[in-house]
Amino acid sequence: AQSVAQPEDQVNVAEGNPLTVKCTYSVSGNPYLFWYVQYPNRGLQFLLKYITGDNLVKGSYGFEAEFNKSQTSFHLKKPSALVSDSALYFCAVRDMTTDSWGKLQFGAGTQVVVTP
Amino acid sequence: DAEITQSPRHKITETGRQVTLACHQTWNHNNMFWYRQDLGHGLRLIHYSYGVQDTNKGEVSDGYSVSRSNTEDLPLTLESAASSQTSVYFCASSVTGDSPQYFGPGTRLTVL
Repeated sequence: AQSVAQPEDQVNVAEGNPLTVKCTYSVSGNPYLFWYVQYPNRGLQFLLKYITGDNLVKGSYGFEAEFNKSQTSFHLKKPSALVSDSALYFCAVRDMTTDSWGKLQFGAGTQVVVTP
Repeated sequence: DAEITQSPRHKITETGRQVTLACHQTWNHNNMFWYRQDLGHGLRLIHYSYGVQDTNKGEVSDGYSVSRSNTEDLPLTLESAASSQTSVYFCASSVTGDSPQYFGPGTRLTVL
């Protein structure tokens, strides 16, 4: 079985400060990991993914994420947050080795609030 | 530009009625998915399809059905709507199982 946890319901950060959104996962094999962002009344937008290779993955809008196999984590980061980064962020995982081709397991989401 | 659209964007219906939510994508993707989004649960997979005539149940499929007669469309049907099916529904598509999923704008369904 695959699962993903986002331990924080909300993250508050001042504009210009670093932003981190936490994600941990559980899979029986190797993971495919994704981050999505959702703005109000919109569908989810893809930010970045980890399949294999470098543990640090760079994505859209200046976001990056670090894959840590020993801690089973895939935290999303941005060095300097913008007010426009305020949105709902979802981590998602898929187990490469089970019969779950294409099916993603999403976390509950973390609301990011960036204040001016 | 290629896109994925959903209709209607908002729907109010009564308990026991049949409701169909439309999803149409012009990406020519083989894989299509239906999710529901509820507070505290993130997105949960309802049904998915890997191609024409292929449909599969997700983790919350009870009370829902889909059909895939062409590449572009995957309509979601609620056979007899229940208040527990009040939710926001998202359709998504992807090229392969490892590629990102592209999401539609969502349909907000209220069952009274």
